[in-house]
Amino acid sequence: AQSVTQLDSQVPVFEEAPVELRCNYSSSVSVYLFWYVQYPNQGLQLLLKYLSGSTLVKGINGFEAEFNKSQTSFHLRKPSVHISDTAEYFCAVSRAFNDMRFGAGTRLTVKP
Amino acid sequence: ETGVTQTPRHLVMGMTNKKSLKCEQHLGHNAMYWYKQSAKKPLELMFVYSLEERVENNSVPSRFSPECPNSSHLFLHLHTLQPEDSALYLCASSQGLAGGTGELFFGEGSRLTVL
Repeated sequence: AQSVTQLDSQVPVFEEAPVELRCNYSSSVSVYLFWYVQYPNQGLQLLLKYLSGSTLVKGINGFEAEFNKSQTSFHLRKPSVHISDTAEYFCAVSRAFNDMRFGAGTRLTVKP
Repeated sequence: ETGVTQTPRHLVMGMTNKKSLKCEQHLGHNAMYWYKQSAKKPLELMFVYSLEERVENNSVPSRFSPECPNSSHLFLHLHTLQPEDSALYLCASSQGLAGGTGELFFGEGSRLTVL
């Protein structure tokens, strides 16, 4: 079965600085990869996904992620963060919906 | 109403109480899910329903009992819970189970506290 490791539980960063949230996965078969975001007191919403094709995926709110098969990674990046990006970010991997595995989450805190 | 709606948003119950969490999706999806979110832990998939039939039960204790009367509604019945069951319970829906867009649509969650 596949699994997900988010390498940082907390990432503090100053406003307008770049950020990278790291995600590694393990699977013996091809998988789909996702990043979800959870704002305070809300459910999760999809930021971006990789199903196939181009390894650089662009999502909402200026985020992008790159699928690296050789390193089994799917790191999330944003060149310039805003206060409003403060949230919990979850990496997920799946082969099918009833087999979607989430990481433990990375709390991004953007400071003024 | 749009999206996925969960009620109640907050629930406090004693270990001997019986309560239910409700989820309703207005997206026309045919699959619904219950997830448990505990602090510092990955989301745990509890139950999956597709076309109102349960297709997944990830070794969840019997004190949690799901019900899916139709493709728009999902319940989680709770009885004789333990304090370690305190968590945020998230409902989600999707169109189809395998492949497709890969997107789960989540509700805002029900925060459960067991005293």
